[in-house]
Amino acid sequence: AQSVSQHNHHVILSEAASLELGCNYSYGGTVNLFWYVQYPGQHLQLLLKYFSGDPLVKGIKGFEAEFIKSKFSFNLRKPSVQWSDTAEYFCAGGPRGNEKLTFGTGTRLTIIP
Amino acid sequence: NAGVMQNPRHLVRRRGQEARLRCSPMKGHSHVYWYRQLPEEGLKFMVYLQKENIIDESGMPKERFSAEFPKEGPSILRIQQVVRGDSAAYFCATSLRPPNTEAFFGQGTRLTVV
Repeated sequence: AQSVSQHNHHVILSEAASLELGCNYSYGGTVNLFWYVQYPGQHLQLLLKYFSGDPLVKGIKGFEAEFIKSKFSFNLRKPSVQWSDTAEYFCAGGPRGNEKLTFGTGTRLTIIP
Repeated sequence: NAGVMQNPRHLVRRRGQEARLRCSPMKGHSHVYWYRQLPEEGLKFMVYLQKENIIDESGMPKERFSAEFPKEGPSILRIQQVVRGDSAAYFCATSLRPPNTEAFFGQGTRLTVV
């Protein structure tokens, strides 16, 4: 069965620190991968997505993620975080051609000013 | 450009009552997905619908839960005879025709069963 794992449940960083949130998926075939962000009280917003092509994907607000097929990973990165990045981050994936997504349990990111 | 609209945002029901959650897709979107988020957990897929058709309901509980997406009007997720364990946030997402299309999420409906 397909699964998506996020091992960091709560991450606390100071402003300007670099960020990396882990995401691993288990699916043998071709896969679409996503990172969503959920600000307090708001809906999920797409940060970035990977369908095919360049494994380094750039998204909004300075976020990027790298698809490493050999490691089944799709980690989210940002070189310098801001207080406004405080939110919950969800990694999600689904087999190519199937729009049903499997979500990780989320990582709560807290940025200290 | 209205996004995905869900209503109500908050819904309180007593045990045994019915809950009806609505999802109006973005303009042009004809594919709807419902997810449930339990406290401290990620979103879990429930059901995938196109207009007037259920495509995949593998994540729906076998009893008390149903979903529809009529030709006209919003998609409805119906929970009959609610129990405390149904308390959760219910999100819908909509997309253009797949494959490889982005799903846009609504703000969710937070259901509390008392």
